[in-house]
Amino acid sequence: SAVISQKPSRDICQRGTSLTIQCQVDSQVTMMFWYRQQPGQSLTLIATANQGSEATYESGFVIDKFPISRPNLTFSTLTVSNMSPEDSSIYLCSVVYRDSYEEQYFGPGTRLTVT
Amino acid sequence: QKEVEQNSGPLSVPEGAIASLNCTYSDRGSQSFFWYRQYSGKSPELIMSIYSNGDKEDGRFTAQLNKASQYVSLLIRDSQPSDSATYLCAVSGNNRLAFGKGNQVVVIP
Repeated sequence: SAVISQKPSRDICQRGTSLTIQCQVDSQVTMMFWYRQQPGQSLTLIATANQGSEATYESGFVIDKFPISRPNLTFSTLTVSNMSPEDSSIYLCSVVYRDSYEEQYFGPGTRLTVT
Repeated sequence: QKEVEQNSGPLSVPEGAIASLNCTYSDRGSQSFFWYRQYSGKSPELIMSIYSNGDKEDGRFTAQLNKASQYVSLLIRDSQPSDSATYLCAVSGNNRLAFGKGNQVVVIP
């Protein structure tokens, strides 16, 4: 099966700073998504990363806070900007492969702690 | 009204028994339904997909879908300690998945 990697796997950051999380897939995918999962909670979709165009954000998430890039079919980044302790969470990317209809497969996640 | 609801609390089952998980959804137009397993500290892993009414079996897992009643369920037969995890129900709509809050399953040896 294809491999999805995320960097970094974890980080501890100071408030007011920004962190960019990378998601790399080893084969071409049709769709890429970014989620947040806070401790003990389910998954919340942040945005759909669109190749070559602006991401589509869910209600409550804005581009200034969570800028997303997707320069090609196998790579995307999510930046968490001007961080506060409330941004402490696990950030996950997911992908839909060409032949997997709507099935989403998740990367290992990035555990972010903001102090 | 939440899009996807999983209302059961933590489920404890003895090893070898059947674990039953239920999920209801609000969007009658949803066409695709998924169950994910998430171990503590890990990311969700897709274990079942179901698209049409009825049952779908894969090994010890059976997914059941009833679109008229808007529910989907997951049965885990011959539960093993390795099945202890949180199980997330997900429903597609508008090119995205909506997830339930999950049900924790604990299999007691």
